[in-house]
Amino acid sequence: NAGVTQTPKFRILKIGQSMTLQCAQDMNHNYMYWYRQDPGMGLKLIYYSVGAGITDKGEVPNGYNVSRSTTEDFPLRLELAAPSQTSVYFCASSNPGLAHHEQFFGPGTRLTVL
Amino acid sequence: AQTVTQSQPEMSVQEAETVTLSCTYDTSESDYYLFWYKQPPSRQMILVIRQEAYKQQNATENRFSVNFQKAAKSFSLKISDSQLGDAAMYFCAYRNAQGGSEKLVFGKGTKLTVNP
Repeated sequence: NAGVTQTPKFRILKIGQSMTLQCAQDMNHNYMYWYRQDPGMGLKLIYYSVGAGITDKGEVPNGYNVSRSTTEDFPLRLELAAPSQTSVYFCASSNPGLAHHEQFFGPGTRLTVL
Repeated sequence: AQTVTQSQPEMSVQEAETVTLSCTYDTSESDYYLFWYKQPPSRQMILVIRQEAYKQQNATENRFSVNFQKAAKSFSLKISDSQLGDAAMYFCAYRNAQGGSEKLVFGKGTKLTVNP
């Protein structure tokens, strides 16, 4: 299993540009999450999904959109990039009810908006 | 809303010594889970140890152990026989046991330096 994969690893955007951060998992997990990590800070939840077709806002959803058309994929869309969105973005997945209660994280995408 | 506080932005320890990282949290729930994640320079988030709030026994994983004080809402991580590979950011995280989404709330992290 590849686990949770994210593309791209790095990206530089200009203000006002748009892009999609890709996330995929091959563990058949129902739950998926997007977090952002600002310098010197912990991770904050942007959006999450408890299954295909179901998404909900987290703590910091403004400026982002998500969709979940399949169990495997959970892309994060930035429509009008702003410098405040410069951050490292992590995708994660988990399976409810598993004894270990663990979220599995992808390697992250470092995004810079100039 | 739940909050997690890590009051030590940075800690250092000598190789082979023991270090304790602090974490406190605020919640009105009685059933929840607590985690310590390690983030090395590679950025990968690695689960170090977990604790179920309904268990009184403190979790241990090899050189890593926790001191879980439910009444004080405290969840510290002890690293014994510290190794150079333990150098990383360490994040404390909280999750409700109920609610259906398994969302994690993270502290700001503690940067651990291991001196040879």
